[in-house]
Amino acid sequence: DAKTTQPPSMDCAEGRAANLPCNHSTISGNEYVYWYRQIHSQGPQYIIHGLKNNETNEMASLIITEDRKSSTLILPHATLRDTAVYYCIVRVEGNDMRFGAGTRLTVKP
Amino acid sequence: DSGVTQTPKHLITATGQRVTLRCSPRSGDLSVYWYQQSLDQGLQFLIQYYNGEERAKGNILERFSAQQFPDLHSELNLSSLELGDSALYFCASSYPGAGETQYFGPGTRLLVL
Repeated sequence: DAKTTQPPSMDCAEGRAANLPCNHSTISGNEYVYWYRQIHSQGPQYIIHGLKNNETNEMASLIITEDRKSSTLILPHATLRDTAVYYCIVRVEGNDMRFGAGTRLTVKP
Repeated sequence: DSGVTQTPKHLITATGQRVTLRCSPRSGDLSVYWYQQSLDQGLQFLIQYYNGEERAKGNILERFSAQQFPDLHSELNLSSLELGDSALYFCASSYPGAGETQYFGPGTRLLVL
């Protein structure tokens, strides 16, 4: 599975959109982009995933560039409860998840 | 709540001992994955089972073993425990298709003294 690069940390003001970038320049055509987050030591929580098209659900939006070499997770109105480590993972369907260090997002009042 | 359950939540034991961690997947999910999260290693994939059969192995030590039973629940057995085995152990489950999204349980925190 392709390797991803994320900034180690980011801050965001409460109520603002949080935009978390991820680079995956070696992604293959059959690899999906997944985003998970982990709050404290809880189990990783699934947020969203996509293959080629942009995706939106009740939690977030996922923007994938046309060449698929990078993506952005958007939390439209960040709250204090969105403070967590966010993981971007690229993976072939059915394979295990290879977690990196992720981005530690801190939402500030 | 992901629908994946893990027991026990906490486990404290001594070096050299053996423990069993249990995971019940979401209803209908066929795959179970085990992960270890320690402070210095992050989240590491250990092993995957699909419908009772081992499908993939990651960084799983020989002292560790797992199995998936006919009712699809899974157990991770850790033996000859060492201090370094202290970690959070998560299981995840998935169903084939639509990206096979993995849903994680709340984890078991293991402390080896």
